[in-house]
Amino acid sequence: EDKVVQSPLSLVVHEGDTVTLNCSYEVTNFRSLLWYKQEKKAPTFLFMLTSSGIEKKSGRLSSILDKKELFSILNITATQTGDSAVYLCAPIYNQGGKLIFGQGTELSVKP
Amino acid sequence: ETGVTQTPRHLVMGMTNKKSLKCEQHLGHNAMYWYKQSAKKPLELMFVYSLEERVENNSVPSRFSPECPNSSHLFLHLHTLQPEDSALYLCASSQYIDRRDGYTFGSGTRLTVV
Repeated sequence: EDKVVQSPLSLVVHEGDTVTLNCSYEVTNFRSLLWYKQEKKAPTFLFMLTSSGIEKKSGRLSSILDKKELFSILNITATQTGDSAVYLCAPIYNQGGKLIFGQGTELSVKP
Repeated sequence: ETGVTQTPRHLVMGMTNKKSLKCEQHLGHNAMYWYKQSAKKPLELMFVYSLEERVENNSVPSRFSPECPNSSHLFLHLHTLQPEDSALYLCASSQYIDRRDGYTFGSGTRLTVV
């Protein structure tokens, strides 16, 4: 059965800390993996990762995919209170574009 | 606003009521989706529409009835819901049905069934 496991489920840090969020997956016919940030309601797109070992960066956020070990990580450096959110990862299947979401990691950044 | 608009933002309904959720996108996307997000659970895909045609229905109870009159609008008609249907209902759209470009999500409707 295909599954997506995110860890940790929740995390509390202080401003300035660096965090690493994990997403491991077991998906047949994998194509890509998406990361989203969900604050109040609408998940907002962060990254799409398709190739192994190529880091994608956006400001203080970066992400990388390992297709051999079947996981991805999302790094946030110098965290700010505005980074507090639930971070979702979602692998996409190659055929039909089926997509399944992990449970999410709830990040709380304290001042 | 993300380009996908959902109304209402909040909805409280009794189990015998009939209500509808509305989703509208002006991104020129060809596919639209309904997701359910319950507390502490992963997002669950409910329905997928591509060019106004339903292409996926993930074992959703018949008390949820989707409608897609055109490629910009998607509705979710609700009737005789149960308290466990209380959740955040998210609409999303994508340019391609194979989601190669990911989703754009709406802000969701927070539904409470009493």
